[in-house]
Amino acid sequence: AQKVTQAQTEISVVEKEDVTLDCVYETRDTTYYLFWYKQPPSGELVFLIRRNSFDEQNEISGRYSWNFQKSTSSFNFTITASQVVDSAVYFCALKSDRGSTLGRLYFGRGTQLTVWP
Amino acid sequence: DGGITQSPKYLFRKEGQNVTLSCEQNLNHDAMYWYRQDPGQGLRLIYYSQIVNDFQKGDIAEGYSVSREKKESFPLTVTSAQKNPTAFYLCASSGPESSYEQYFGPGTRLTVT
Repeated sequence: AQKVTQAQTEISVVEKEDVTLDCVYETRDTTYYLFWYKQPPSGELVFLIRRNSFDEQNEISGRYSWNFQKSTSSFNFTITASQVVDSAVYFCALKSDRGSTLGRLYFGRGTQLTVWP
Repeated sequence: DGGITQSPKYLFRKEGQNVTLSCEQNLNHDAMYWYRQDPGQGLRLIYYSQIVNDFQKGDIAEGYSVSREKKESFPLTVTSAQKNPTAFYLCASSGPESSYEQYFGPGTRLTVT
């Protein structure tokens, strides 16, 4: 079974603080894909990153960075020097590469991040 | 501009009426998806289609129906059998490979009273 857990329901920080959003996943597949999406107040989900199960390199994109660790089944997302515009709901998702669930995304419940000025 | 359009953004209906939500994409994507989002919850899959004239039920298909007659279009009908239809509905599409990310439309907020 595929499952994604985002244990942090809400996080509040003050601008310029660093913040890490946790994501833990469960799958029996050897090949799978992990994603992060941002949902601003407008509602549309914005794709942020995709990582496949064979690539454990951490990635940095500007103020965003992602830490993928297969040993702990985690794919955490860090925002450095947070800004008010980072306020949104962030979703972690898992996609299987085979079988009847091919193509489906399994989402966590999301983490509401609020950045105060 | 390539993308996914959903219309309308807000929709109001009386209980007992069927309503159809539109989803169109010009990304030439094979796969399309419908999700439902309720406050404080993640996205739950209603239906998905990986090819024209074929679709599969997701986790919460009861009370919904879909069609996929054209590659670009994947309309969702919320029937009167759906017991709690008020929600935010998101449509998505993706390319043919399983690794491809899904791209989402702006969503339709349906309110049934």
